[in-house]
Amino acid sequence: AQKITQTQPGMFVQEKEAVTLDCTYDTSDPSYGLFWYKQPSSGEMIFLIYQGSYDQQNATEGRYSLNFQKARKSANLVISASQLGDSAMYFCAMRAYSGAGSYQLTFGKGTKLSVIP
Amino acid sequence: ETGVTQTPRHLVMGMTNKKSLKCEQHLGHNAMYWYKQSAKKPLELMFVYNFKEQTENNSVPSRFSPECPNSSHLFLHLHTLQPEDSALYLCASSQTPGTTNNEQFFGPGTRLTVL
Repeated sequence: AQKITQTQPGMFVQEKEAVTLDCTYDTSDPSYGLFWYKQPSSGEMIFLIYQGSYDQQNATEGRYSLNFQKARKSANLVISASQLGDSAMYFCAMRAYSGAGSYQLTFGKGTKLSVIP
Repeated sequence: ETGVTQTPRHLVMGMTNKKSLKCEQHLGHNAMYWYKQSAKKPLELMFVYNFKEQTENNSVPSRFSPECPNSSHLFLHLHTLQPEDSALYLCASSQTPGTTNNEQFFGPGTRLTVL
């Protein structure tokens, strides 16, 4: 079974500073994908960044980068130059084969990030 | 309209009511999903539809009844719900569910309160 663990229920960061949100995962499938989503108070889940299990380089998307350490099964999200609009819930998710031809997206419990002016 | 839309955004219903949630995607995707997000719990996948066919039902109680008339529309019919069913219900879509790198695009959700 797939499992995603986010150990930080809440994080604070000063505006313009960088912050790292932790995510560890567990799967027996050698082929999987890792995603980070942002959920503002409005409720919509916004896709941020994707990392494939066979990707050699860490994914980057603008101010977001994914620190992928395969041996440690971690996929931490790094947000550089934090902005007030980054305050939101952040979810780590993994997509892996769940049997019977099906791929499921499993989410962690999330980390609430608060950016301080 | 662009992306994934959901209506209504907020719904309050009694335990004996029957209501429906609607989801529409304008992205040309073939797969659609219903998720339940309760307070302090991870997102729970409820149903998956691929090309209008239901491919996943994660042991969801029968008081939740999904319907997918075409690849662009997904409904969740609700009847005789319980207060513990109060949650944010999110709809998502993707190209197909059959690979690891298909990102899912989410709607804004319907905040459901069962009295």
